[in-house]
Amino acid sequence: EVQLLESGGGLVQPGGSLRLSCAASGFTFSSYAMGWVRQAPGRGLEWVSSISGSGRDTFYADSVKGRFTISRDNFKNTLYLQMNSLRAEDTAEYYCAKDSGTYDFWGQGTLVTVST
Amino acid sequence: QAGLTQPPSVSKGLRQTATLTCTGNSNNVGNQGAAWLQQHRGHPPKLLSYRNNNRPSGISERLSASRSGNTASLTITGLQPEDEADYYCSAWDSSLRVWVFGGGTKLTVL
Repeated sequence: EVQLLESGGGLVQPGGSLRLSCAASGFTFSSYAMGWVRQAPGRGLEWVSSISGSGRDTFYADSVKGRFTISRDNFKNTLYLQMNSLRAEDTAEYYCAKDSGTYDFWGQGTLVTVST
Repeated sequence: QAGLTQPPSVSKGLRQTATLTCTGNSNNVGNQGAAWLQQHRGHPPKLLSYRNNNRPSGISERLSASRSGNTASLTITGLQPEDEADYYCSAWDSSLRVWVFGGGTKLTVL
């Protein structure tokens, strides 16, 4: 059974940093691209970033480019999102998702709140 | 990065049929088709169909997806109370090399 478990969310001040993690199990992690998608309170889904199975290729939404870094550790079956220079508009539930050509499995999400 | 276009809301009666639409362009929906996701309040999204009309195991046969040009559609027949949810479409944009999502459609079952 595919399982994705996010962690690392919390309250952070504007300009601060957080690192999200997503522990994966139930599939061959290194064989699949992975992604992060966020959802601001009461809003729709917004793609944030994707990474290839090897970790060699990464992609970012314009809204986070230069501030967020996606990475993965295929030995630990874990996906990461390093978030720097956080802004109020980054406040959202952050989901990690398995990419098999589409986002077919999603984690439960971790909430990031950027506020003073 | 422009997203896909979905109507904000659709309302239909119990046991009726609802058709949700999602419009993109030739680089996303018109290229590789769209996926459809369902999200109930307080829960993560769930994949309903991908590449236009491939359903993951366990997804009801009352759901079917299609595409015509740059517009994808999701049809739900015999509407049930549990179908009331937010529905999102998504697609990979081969030109921008980003994933794009629709703004979501809130389906209300009357």
